[in-house]
Amino acid sequence: GQNIDQPTEMTATEGAIVQINCTYQTSGFNGLFWYQQHAGEAPTFLSYNVLDGLEEKGRFSSFLSRSKGYSYLLLKELQMKDSASYLCAAPSGGSYIPTFGRGTSLIVHP
Amino acid sequence: EAQVTQNPRYLITVTGKKLTVTCSQNMNHEYMSWYRQDPGLGLRQIYYSMNVEVTDKGDVPEGYKVSRKEKRNFPLILESPSPNQTSLYFCASSLSPGQPPDGYTFGSGTRLTVV
Repeated sequence: GQNIDQPTEMTATEGAIVQINCTYQTSGFNGLFWYQQHAGEAPTFLSYNVLDGLEEKGRFSSFLSRSKGYSYLLLKELQMKDSASYLCAAPSGGSYIPTFGRGTSLIVHP
Repeated sequence: EAQVTQNPRYLITVTGKKLTVTCSQNMNHEYMSWYRQDPGLGLRQIYYSMNVEVTDKGDVPEGYKVSRKEKRNFPLILESPSPNQTSLYFCASSLSPGQPPDGYTFGSGTRLTVV
């Protein structure tokens, strides 16, 4: 099955920029997803990348390199409310059903 | 409002007492799935359903059952719950398993404690 790797925890300062990395197995790639999950709440969809390059959505951007099996989520102008877990998810082996990574807990401090 | 409704939100039960967690979506989604989330382990898929009467095992199906008799409902059944099934459970749905363009819609979660 798929093996998603992302850092366990990151900290950043309000107003700064942070990049959360994710690596995955490239075999049978069918797109990569990012979700945001606040403590005790349901995950919410942030982005989907299937082609190489950067996709921008307001303060959040997501990048994909298919040849390297690498993605990152870029958060700009950090706000306290961005403190959450960020989940990377991707299918493998030609499946469309994604495997979720363990999530990166982002702590934003003043 | 488009949503996935899970019930109950919180449940404390005893070992061996059968329980059902309900999940209903109002978006006419074909794909539905159940996940459990444990600290340090992330979201792990229990079962999924591609359409009515079509279900399949995910990564951690042992001790669980599901059914999909109607498109909108996908209940999760624990026939004989054990303490290792204490977890946070999420139901999710989407138009297709591939998720785009809006990804999965998740229910609010069910926090289950088995004592």
